[in-house]
Amino acid sequence: ELKVEQNPLFLSMQEGKNYTIYCNYSTTSDRLYWYRQDPGKSLESLFVLLSNGAVKQEGRLMASLDTKARLSTLHITAAVHDLSATYFCAVDMKGGSEKLVFGKGMKLTVNP
Amino acid sequence: SAVISQKPSRDICQRGTSLTIQCQVDSQVTMMFWYRQQPGQSLTLIATANQGSEATYESGFVIDKFPISRPNLTFSTLTVSNMSPEDSSIYLCSVGNPHNYGYTFGSGTRLTVV
Repeated sequence: ELKVEQNPLFLSMQEGKNYTIYCNYSTTSDRLYWYRQDPGKSLESLFVLLSNGAVKQEGRLMASLDTKARLSTLHITAAVHDLSATYFCAVDMKGGSEKLVFGKGMKLTVNP
Repeated sequence: SAVISQKPSRDICQRGTSLTIQCQVDSQVTMMFWYRQQPGQSLTLIATANQGSEATYESGFVIDKFPISRPNLTFSTLTVSNMSPEDSSIYLCSVGNPHNYGYTFGSGTRLTVV
């Protein structure tokens, strides 16, 4: 059974600071996704990582994937209040089943 | 990416009743996915809906409780039957994006059962 673990689950940080959050998964997969969810809203796609070594950046967020370590990181640079949200990683089960298994999500609060 | 219209956006229902949630996609897709997000929790896949065949349910979800229809390649419904307060959740549909292997989610249906 594929398990996806996020660390930390809660993060409170100051504006302007940097931080890295982690997503580990338990079985082989080449596809990992990061989503953002604002309170009461649906999921917004942030990154689609499709291969080992993939790195993608959008604004203050950068995501990477190490399939050998079964690890993805989401790095936050110079955080701003608007980044406050819950961030989910999700893994597509091997074989292209198109079934996503989600981590528990990390609730980020960026304080002024 | 596909655009999904999901209805209703929210509802408050009496226990023992049923609610049908609709998802309309602006393009033809082979598979549609239905997820549940319980309060403060992550998303859990309920079932995968293929056009022209029975939906495939994940462990812990059964057709009698969550019947799904998929009459064509752009539309699907999920019914939450004989509701209890434990069914209070956000329900989301999702489709794959063949161009980037990503997935798009509908806006969600926030269901409260009283």
